[in-house]
Amino acid sequence: SQTIHQWPATLVQPVGSPLSLECTVEGTSNPNLYWYRQAAGRGLQLLFYSVGIGQISSEVPQNLSASRPQDRQFILSSKKLLLSDSGFYLCAWSPGGGRADTQYFGPGTRLTVL
Amino acid sequence: AQKITQTQPGMFVQEKEAVTLDCTYDTSDPSYGLFWYKQPSSGEMIFLIYQGSYDQQNATEGRYSLNFQKARKSANLVISASQLGDSAMYFCAMRETLNNAGNMLTFGGGTRLMVKP
Repeated sequence: SQTIHQWPATLVQPVGSPLSLECTVEGTSNPNLYWYRQAAGRGLQLLFYSVGIGQISSEVPQNLSASRPQDRQFILSSKKLLLSDSGFYLCAWSPGGGRADTQYFGPGTRLTVL
Repeated sequence: AQKITQTQPGMFVQEKEAVTLDCTYDTSDPSYGLFWYKQPSSGEMIFLIYQGSYDQQNATEGRYSLNFQKARKSANLVISASQLGDSAMYFCAMRETLNNAGNMLTFGGGTRLMVKP
């Protein structure tokens, strides 16, 4: 069966510091991968998605970037965090190759920027 | 552009009773998918149920069923025999196909369900 991991689970970082959040998927090949952000009490907003290694698309202009160095690894980064980057970050995967349906989410990373 | 609306910010239901969570959507795409996710206090988004726009029958998964009314553009979630563990945020979402064959989910604002013992 497929599993999706995210770490760290929680993170407190000062403004201006760098960021690296990691997401890995097991039990599947060539998945579509996604990064979402959820502000407190709100729905999810898609930040980045990837349909293959090195292929990254951004949905929202921002202070963040994403990379996919391996088939089942998706990384969210920032060079300098802003207060507005605080939130709950969720990674998700769906089967690749066409109009895949269900997205499955990881446990999330709660980021607080002080 | 797609839009998902959940008009109930919070709801109470008595344990063992059924509850309906509302979701309306707006899209010009003839082919789409509708999802419901549960988010407990731990934060993880748990997939509950899926309905395709061309599905003839309403989707069901255990105690969850989706009341799909295509002409009215609504996809309400029905939870039968509520349990205390059902207390959580519930999100309705719609799939939108992206240019390079990936897809994104557009989420509603969520409904907080609280089950009373």
